[in-house]
Amino acid sequence: AQSVSQHNHHVILSEAASLELGCNYSYGGTVNLFWYVQYPGQHLQLLLKYFSGDPLVKGIKGFEAEFIKSKFSFNLRKPSVQWSDTAEYFCAVNARDGGFKTIFGAGTRLFVKA
Amino acid sequence: DVKVTQSSRYLVKRTGEKVFLECVQDMDHENMFWYRQDPGLGLRLIYFSYDVKMKEKGDIPEGYSVSREKKERFSLILESASTNQTSMYLCASSFAGPFHETQYFGPGTRLLVL
Repeated sequence: AQSVSQHNHHVILSEAASLELGCNYSYGGTVNLFWYVQYPGQHLQLLLKYFSGDPLVKGIKGFEAEFIKSKFSFNLRKPSVQWSDTAEYFCAVNARDGGFKTIFGAGTRLFVKA
Repeated sequence: DVKVTQSSRYLVKRTGEKVFLECVQDMDHENMFWYRQDPGLGLRLIYFSYDVKMKEKGDIPEGYSVSREKKERFSLILESASTNQTSMYLCASSFAGPFHETQYFGPGTRLLVL
């Protein structure tokens, strides 16, 4: 069965610090990978996604993620966070041959101090 | 812009009551999903539907049922609400493309069962 593991449940950073949120998944086949974000009081929305091609994908608001197939990882990065990046971040995976089910990680709450 | 709406933002019900949560999407998406979101557990799939009148169990279907009579509407039913069903419920929809497209989420319904 697929599973998704996010390394940190809570992260606190100061503005301008660099961010890396870890995500590992367990599935041996071809996967689609996503990062979703939920800002306080807002809908869950897509940050970025990887289906194929360049393993370094860029999303909205300066975020990027790198797919490393050998490590089953899809870590999210941002070189310099802002106060407005305070949110909960979810990594998600679905298998190309696994139907329509997407498995979500437990989420990482990021708090950025102004 | 894709819009997914949910019938209530907040709901308070008593143990044993039958509860209906409604979700409507306006983008002609084939797939619709119901999740529950709990702290530290991320999003867990309750049920999903890939077509009108079609439904599939997710990871935690016990105590829930669903109905999809029209393409744009997907209802979640708690037959007899219990306190352990207190949670945030999220509806999502997506196209049934070949690459398991991005899911679009509603604002959520926060349900409290007393």
